Amino acid sequence: KQEVTQIPAALSVPEGENLVLNCSFTDSAIYNLQWFRQDPGKGLTSLLLIQSSQREQTSGRLNASLDKSSGRSTLYIAASQPGDSATYLCAVRGYNTDKLIFGTGTRLQVFP
Amino acid sequence: DAGVTQSPTHLIKTRGQHVTLRCSPISGHKSVSWYQQVLGQGPQFIFQYYEKEERGRGNFPDRFSARQFPNYSSELNVNALLLGDSALYLCASSEETYEQYFGPGTRLTVT
Repeated sequence: KQEVTQIPAALSVPEGENLVLNCSFTDSAIYNLQWFRQDPGKGLTSLLLIQSSQREQTSGRLNASLDKSSGRSTLYIAASQPGDSATYLCAVRGYNTDKLIFGTGTRLQVFP
Repeated sequence: DAGVTQSPTHLIKTRGQHVTLRCSPISGHKSVSWYQQVLGQGPQFIFQYYEKEERGRGNFPDRFSARQFPNYSSELNVNALLLGDSALYLCASSEETYEQYFGPGTRLTVT
C-alpha cells in the first residue's frame, strides 16, 4: 500500500531564505508526482508535475526533483517571500489510475 | 478559460440529512475525481469518473455515491450524514493521464 510522508510538518523562515521541502513514498512504481499549494480553507493549486521518467521540473523560483528508486522528491523554493506562506502537498499517482495519494503537507510560514 | 468550479461553496447540514455537491470540470476534461480533506490532513480519494463510468473508488462507505453527466459535470451524494463527514470536499478534473486541476472545494459542516 502506497504511503506518502512529508517532512517537516511545519516550517517558519525569514524572507529571502532558500528552503527545501521533502516528500517520501513507499512504493516506487509511480506514474507521476505532483506538488500542490493550498491556502487556508481553499482548493489546491498545482505547482509542478514530474513524470516518472523525469528527474526534475522547474517553474520560476520553484524546482522539484524526483528520485524514484529511493522514493523521494524535494521541492526547492528560492528566495522565499511572505506570499509563499501556505501548505505544500505532494501527491503520487500510480499506473492505470487517476487516484492521487497525498502526504499530510508542510505548513510554511515566511515572515518579513 | 474557466477552471474547475464547485457548488455550493459552504453548507451546513444536520446529522442524518443528505447532501449533494456539484462539480464542473475544465472544458474538454472527461475525467472527474472527488476527494475529502479533513482539517490538518491531506485529501483522501473518494471516486473517479471517466466518460460517465466509475473508474475508481476509495475506502468510503456506501453512503457516498457519485455520478457523471453527459456534459462531464459530476455530483457527489452523501446520505445519512455523520459528524465525521465534516470536511472540505474537492473535485479535480483532468485529460486522461495528465495533470489534475482542483476546484476551490465545498466546505461541509455537519452539526
